[in-house]
Amino acid sequence: DGGITQSPKYLFRKEGQNVTLSCEQNLNHDAMYWYRQDPGQGLRLIYYSQIVNDFQKGDIAEGYSVSREKKESFPLTVTSAQKNPTAFYLCASSYRVENSPLHFGNGTRLTVT
Amino acid sequence: EDQVTQSPEALRLQEGESSSLNCSYTVSGLRGLFWYRQDPGKGPEFLFTLYSAGEEKEKERLKATLTKKESFLHITAPKPEDSATYLCAVQGGNNRKLIWGLGTSLAVNP
Repeated sequence: DGGITQSPKYLFRKEGQNVTLSCEQNLNHDAMYWYRQDPGQGLRLIYYSQIVNDFQKGDIAEGYSVSREKKESFPLTVTSAQKNPTAFYLCASSYRVENSPLHFGNGTRLTVT
Repeated sequence: EDQVTQSPEALRLQEGESSSLNCSYTVSGLRGLFWYRQDPGKGPEFLFTLYSAGEEKEKERLKATLTKKESFLHITAPKPEDSATYLCAVQGGNNRKLIWGLGTSLAVNP
């Protein structure tokens, strides 16, 4: 059954620590995305990748980093430079960046104290 | 500036009471308008894509329509399991990134 898997579902970290969120897809999609969702705000794009070994900054890339070494995988690292890292993080994929619906994972809720 | 506004913010219906959700958009050269459903603690689930004014799509009790300025998501005879947040997103010609609305939170009481 094709889909997107995000792990873990819940993640707790101390301030000052980097943390990596996992995202794997078996839909054979070229494009992958990371969004952040906060209460009262729309989905905000962190990074996206159109193809392996390529990625672009979204609207709120500061304090985050990504890699795209394999088509199936697009991990997100939340660094200690991110000022407000506590949030619900969503990974998505699509056939292409334009005119193609996104398919989302079920998210990782990160809490940093 | 590209913008998407959804209304109402929240809607409470009785089971069987039909209604509509609105998604108004301002974008240069619409490439696509997308509707999603999101349950609490889950990722959004894709419902429909609309590409041009006059287009309509249907799925079970949901029907999405599109004009040059807005889209409606009509819910006919809703059931409690239709309770969720419904999100609208737009992709314009000048910006490859999706512009998201804040969503409409729908509660259907039995």
